[in-house]
Amino acid sequence: AQSVTQLDSQVPVFEEAPVELRCNYSSSVSVYLFWYVQYPNQGLQLLLKYLSGSTLVKGINGFEAEFNKSQTSFHLRKPSVHISDTAEYFCAVTLYSGAGSYQLTFGKGTKLSVIP
Amino acid sequence: DTEVTQTPKHLVMGMTNKKSLKCEQHMGHRAMYWYKQKAKKPPELMFVYSYEKLSINESVPSRFSPECPNSSLLNLHLHALQPEDSALYLCASSQNTGIEAFFGQGTRLTVV
Repeated sequence: AQSVTQLDSQVPVFEEAPVELRCNYSSSVSVYLFWYVQYPNQGLQLLLKYLSGSTLVKGINGFEAEFNKSQTSFHLRKPSVHISDTAEYFCAVTLYSGAGSYQLTFGKGTKLSVIP
Repeated sequence: DTEVTQTPKHLVMGMTNKKSLKCEQHMGHRAMYWYKQKAKKPPELMFVYSYEKLSINESVPSRFSPECPNSSLLNLHLHALQPEDSALYLCASSQNTGIEAFFGQGTRLTVV
């Protein structure tokens, strides 16, 4: 079975400071990993994805994440946050659901609050 | 066109009403999904359609009835809902299951 753990439910950070949102997954097989962002009263927007290849993945809005297989982690980072980055961030992993079908499993989310 | 369009954006319905949520994508994706999201919670998968066939039904009550008329459209028919069904309903699509999903803006449903 696969699951996703987001270690922090809330992360406050000052504007222009760096931030790291942590995500760990448990899986015995190869996985696809994703980070999504959700602004208030909106749907989810894909920030970045790891499918294969380079373990450092760059996404939109200046975010990046590093896939670390030995630590089963996929932490999200940004060197300098803006007020507009205030949102809920979800880490997700694919889950094999049988008969050749996969589904996304989400972590519980991390609320990033950027303080002016 | 990289959008998933959901209508309506907001819906208020009584417990005896019948309504439908609609979702449309024109990206040629062959997998489409319905998720339910309660406040301050992650999305919970309800249904998965793959190549217009229902492939996953996550033990959702029968008062929710999905329909996939064609590869671009996905509906969710609602009947005799309960107040606890109030939530944000999200539609998503992907090229195949397991690859990144694109989400719509959601329908905010309130059951009174």
